[in-house]
Amino acid sequence: GQNIDQPTEMTATEGAIVQINCTYQTSGFNGLFWYQQHAGEAPTFLSYNVLDGLEEKGRFSSFLSRSKGYSYLLLKELQMKDSASYLCAVTDSNYQLIWGAGTKLIIKP
Amino acid sequence: IAGITQAPTSQILAAGRRMTLRCTQDMRHNAMYWYRQDLGLGLRLIHYSNTAGTTGKGEVPDGYSVSRANTDDFPLTLASAVPSQTSVYFCASSGGAGDTDTQYFGPGTRLTVL
Repeated sequence: GQNIDQPTEMTATEGAIVQINCTYQTSGFNGLFWYQQHAGEAPTFLSYNVLDGLEEKGRFSSFLSRSKGYSYLLLKELQMKDSASYLCAVTDSNYQLIWGAGTKLIIKP
Repeated sequence: IAGITQAPTSQILAAGRRMTLRCTQDMRHNAMYWYRQDLGLGLRLIHYSNTAGTTGKGEVPDGYSVSRANTDDFPLTLASAVPSQTSVYFCASSGGAGDTDTQYFGPGTRLTVL
């Protein structure tokens, strides 16, 4: 079967750095997405990785290792508004998105 | 309209009733999707459409039907609602059929079936 694993919940302090991990087992791989979802709202796109390595976009970076079936999302200089769920999703060989259950990130002052 | 809109925002429905959730996009995206999101389970694909005139089944299609008469609209119908269909429903679209384009989501419909 296809599986995406991410921690259910993480807590971090305002101003700090947090790394949210995602491991996947899918039938084929055509890219990995990270989305942010605030409570009661729709998911919004954060990043996309298809090649190994680090993609940096402001305070957010995303890393991919295809050989390890592993990705992480790195959030720097955390702000209270970063409190949200972070969803990892992988595009499989049929170009269908397989979604993880999401990681709820709680930011404390 | 800018992006994707969904209607209604929320709905309480008696079991056995028929219900259509509406989704409209103005981005001229080829592909559209319907997901349901339940606590602890993440997003699950119900149905999708790679282009106008075609539809396909996702992970959890039973009890739902869709149509794609044109590029912009992708309604989801529950023929006879059951309590297990209580969920938040998101419509999404992407620019290319069958490729890895980013999916953009509508604001969601919160449906309660009693």
